[in-house]
Amino acid sequence: EIVLTQSPDFQSVTPKEKVTITCRASQSIGSSLHWYQQKPDQSPKLLIKYASQSISGVPSRFSGSGSGTDFTLTINSLEAEDAATYYCHQSSSLPVTFGQGTKLEIK
Amino acid sequence: EVQLVESGGGLVQPGGSLRLSCAASGFTFSSYWMSWVRQAPGKGLEWVANIKQDGSEKYYVDSVKGRFTISRDNAKNSLYLQMNSLRAEDTAVYYCARVLLWFREFDYWGQGTLVTVSS
Repeated sequence: EIVLTQSPDFQSVTPKEKVTITCRASQSIGSSLHWYQQKPDQSPKLLIKYASQSISGVPSRFSGSGSGTDFTLTINSLEAEDAATYYCHQSSSLPVTFGQGTKLEIK
Repeated sequence: EVQLVESGGGLVQPGGSLRLSCAASGFTFSSYWMSWVRQAPGKGLEWVANIKQDGSEKYYVDSVKGRFTISRDNAKNSLYLQMNSLRAEDTAVYYCARVLLWFREFDYWGQGTLVTVSS
């Protein structure tokens, strides 16, 4: 099973700040890494697919990068509505797995 | 508009059974693999099971193998999860999620249904 480790687990940030969340895989997964946003009491929402591919309707301040074992989700100019927990997900092999999540708090 | 609506959750005793349903609309259901993903209270996401478009392939996380069965009815645009021999650790919100192929992203999620296993 491929283990995904996100960092940090929690981050308190101010609006307009740039935020970087990392996801490290226990073995190479190519670009089969996706990012989701989950706001309180809501279901997850797809933000980025295949490490860096944008999703229609997702604000352009969200971007992704990386390949192999190291991946990054970047949020430029953070907005109050971005308060949420963010998860990475690998689809390289079964069982597909998720990172433990990174909770963003807006100051 | 793609919609996935789960139902069937509730309180069940350890060792009991429950059947979850997911009603799909707004897309060609028979063209997609489908999945169940769960989230224990205050915890992260865990993939549970996948099923191919025609039901010929099914995959499960080890912790539910032999206890849970995923199925679908393309004529009714519905996905199911039969859960038997339930344990306290199966307590979670269960989400139905759409995936084009098992090795792709989950592009749409339902709102979830809560399953509580407790005596």
